[in-house]
Amino acid sequence: DAKTTQPPSMDCAEGRAANLPCNHSTISGNEYVYWYRQIHSQGPQYIIHGLKNNETNEMASLIITEDRKSSTLILPHATLRDTAVYYCIVRVGSSGTYKYIFGTGTRLKVLA
Amino acid sequence: GAVVSQHPSRVICKSGTSVKIECRSLDFQATTMFWYRQFPKQSLMLMATSNEGSKATYEQGVEKDKFLINHASLTLSTLTVTSAHPEDSSFYICSARLNSYEQYFGPGTRLTVT
Repeated sequence: DAKTTQPPSMDCAEGRAANLPCNHSTISGNEYVYWYRQIHSQGPQYIIHGLKNNETNEMASLIITEDRKSSTLILPHATLRDTAVYYCIVRVGSSGTYKYIFGTGTRLKVLA
Repeated sequence: GAVVSQHPSRVICKSGTSVKIECRSLDFQATTMFWYRQFPKQSLMLMATSNEGSKATYEQGVEKDKFLINHASLTLSTLTVTSAHPEDSSFYICSARLNSYEQYFGPGTRLTVT
């Protein structure tokens, strides 16, 4: 199964962009990259996902390198409420049997 | 997004007893649900995939006789920790698959075994 590698922690100033990197060098061609975040003692919250193309939604942008071996989650204007653990996940399996393999996560601290 | 609930949110039980945790998809039907375990300051570890109307698929190293999973309806999966011991104390989280691309997580259940 593909695995992801993330830095254990990062700080970001409030109002600035937070760029969270993720390596997934063993990802297969049909495996999606997902990002979730988890605020202390709660269930993970969906942020964004992508396969090859860059993606953007109201929460964040996802930049995937052309070789798909790494990606970056961008929170364009971080707020204090964005402080959380961010997980880069590879969805493995085939139709009907998909499952998520969680990485170790990056603990993002947004500083006032 | 879709809503998944868990009950109870936290539970304390004595060593040797069994405890059941429920996972419900409130506004959608889920043929597939997942159970994860999370120890303090660690990531989520997938325990098993729960399929409605069939047996659960367990990940390697997870004891199926200890962690009983029942997915009796399209909106409910249960995890029963049998003969619980202190080392089973953990945060148990379920998720429900809405479609091929969307999966929603419950708020988690904190189990403490004394």
